[in-house]
Amino acid sequence: KNEVEQSPQNLTAQEGEFITINCSYSVGISALHWLQQHPGGGIVSLFMLSSGKKKHGRLIATINIQEKHSSLHITASHPRDSAVYICAVPYSGGGADGLTFGKGTHLIIQP
Amino acid sequence: DAGVIQSPRHEVTEMGQEVTLRCKPISGHDYLFWYRQTMMRGLELLIYFNNNVPIDDSGMPEDRFSAKMPNASFSTLKIQPSEPRDSAVYFCASSLSPDIGQPQHFGDGTRLSIL
Repeated sequence: KNEVEQSPQNLTAQEGEFITINCSYSVGISALHWLQQHPGGGIVSLFMLSSGKKKHGRLIATINIQEKHSSLHITASHPRDSAVYICAVPYSGGGADGLTFGKGTHLIIQP
Repeated sequence: DAGVIQSPRHEVTEMGQEVTLRCKPISGHDYLFWYRQTMMRGLELLIYFNNNVPIDDSGMPEDRFSAKMPNASFSTLKIQPSEPRDSAVYFCASSLSPDIGQPQHFGDGTRLSIL
């Protein structure tokens, strides 16, 4: 079973700051997922990536397959970015697989 | 397009009762996943189906839990008898083939409280 570690667990920052959340995993994977969970509880898929970098608006996700590490960056952070960000990878590394999750990073952006 | 639909949104019941959670995946998605989220353990995979067939149920905690997918548009997760430690948020997700880079789409979850 893949093991996922996320850091930091909690992060409070001021509006406008550059945010970085890190994720490492133990077993080689086909793709890594970044998810966002808002206080209301719903989970949204932000990125699914298997190499390099992806960008969507102010969010950037990078992955280093050799080092088994991924980062999620938020540029020009805003209070509406406050949420729990969760890294997830396939349970046993393969593509067609359920996910195993990190514990999440609780992000609070203060105005 | 409608997303993944779960029902009920909230369920409160007494210990020992049977609980049935329902999920309607996105039309055309051939993978369906059931996850559970608790404060202590975070999100955990319970079971997943491909083309209505259970593929991996190793995450199902014990025999009190069962899941079925009688057709491509409906799945149930049943707990019988329920216990207070089953209290959690249960999420259903669906996707096209994950091995070709398709993300999972999550339902809003069912918040289950066993008294």
